[in-house]
Parts: sequence; C-alpha cells; structure tokens
Amino acid sequence: DIQMTQSPSTLSASVGDSVTISCRASQTITTWLAWYQQKPGTAPKVLISRASSLKTGVPSRFSGSGSGTEFTLTIRSLQPDDFATYYCQQYNSYPWTFGQGTKVEI
Amino acid sequence: QVQLEQSGAEVRRPGASVKVSCKASGYRFTEYAIHWVRQAPGQRPEWMGWINPGNGNTQYAQKFQGRVTTTADTSATVVYMALSSLTSEDTAVYYCLNLIVATPYWGQGTLVTVSS
Repeated sequence: DIQMTQSPSTLSASVGDSVTISCRASQTITTWLAWYQQKPGTAPKVLISRASSLKTGVPSRFSGSGSGTEFTLTIRSLQPDDFATYYCQQYNSYPWTFGQGTKVEI
Repeated sequence: QVQLEQSGAEVRRPGASVKVSCKASGYRFTEYAIHWVRQAPGQRPEWMGWINPGNGNTQYAQKFQGRVTTTADTSATVVYMALSSLTSEDTAVYYCLNLIVATPYWGQGTLVTVSS
C-alpha cells in the first residue's frame, strides 16, 4: 500500500497568513493526488485534483503543486473560513490512501 | 451536475449487518465506478472498495474482504454497500464517491453507529 504522510499535523496561523502543507507518498503517484478540506460533521470538500487542478468554485487562494512523491497545498491570505482539517489522497493505485490530516487552527 | 445522495443514519447491534445506499445522478451511471470510503471519529478516511455499475465488477480492500458486498441497480442508478458482522470499530461515517475526469465527487455521508 502507498503510505501518505502529511506535515505538519497541526498548523497555527492567523487571518491573512500564507500557509503550506506538505504531503509525501511512499512511492511515486505521478500527479494522481487530491486535496480536501474538511470541517466537523461534513464530508470532505474537494479543493484540488490531479495535484494542481483547482476545482471549479474553489477560491484561487488555494493552489497545489508537485509530482512523483512530493506535493504541497498552499493557502494564500488565510481567511476565517479556511480554519479546518486538510487531507491529501492518492488515487494512483488501490487501495486509495489518505494522509493523516493537517489541522489549521488559529 | 454530478450528485451522490446517500441514505440516512443507521444504528446496529454488534454482530448485525447494515446496508447503505448511494443514488447517483448527473452523469452516465454505468461509465464510472463508485467507491466507498469510511471515516471513523477523529480518523483519516479509509478506502473500502469499488464497484463498476456497468458490469458489476468489484474490488475490495483486503481488510474488508469477506465482510463487504457492493451491488448496483442500473435501472434506479443506485449502488448499495452492505457490511456484515459489525463491531464497535465499524462505527463511522460511510461515503460513496466517484472519479469523473480525474475529479472526485463525494456523497454527503451516512453515519453508522454500532452499539449494544
């Protein structure tokens, strides 16, 4: 199974900050990676697919990059609505696997 | 637009089974597999398996083999996921999702609580 490791696990930030979350795959997944935002009691919301493709309707302050085994999610000018938990997920091969999550808190 | 609408919350006793439904709309149902993912409280999501509604083929994560069954009703565009021999460790929110043009689409989730 491909292991997905995110860092950091928790990130403290303020409104207006730029933050970066890293995701590392234990083997290459080319660009078969998605990023999600999740708030308590709700389903994960897709932000980015194919490592860098912003889903329609997602604010442009979110961006993704990377390929192979190293990926990043960047949030520019953090807004109050952005405080949540973020997950990466590989869908290069089965079983699909998820990172352990990064909680972005004030 | 692509929509996946899941059935409501369920409560089961240990040892029982549960069946969750996922109604798909907004795309050609038989062209894309539907996957099941669950998320236990405070945990990362966990992939369970998929079904190809077009031909009924399935693939499951090793952890769930023998305990999970997925079926599809093409006339109703509904996929079902049944999980048997439930224990408290199966308490989780269960999600269906698909992948269309490399973009994931998720259902709203179904909470399954296993408690005596």
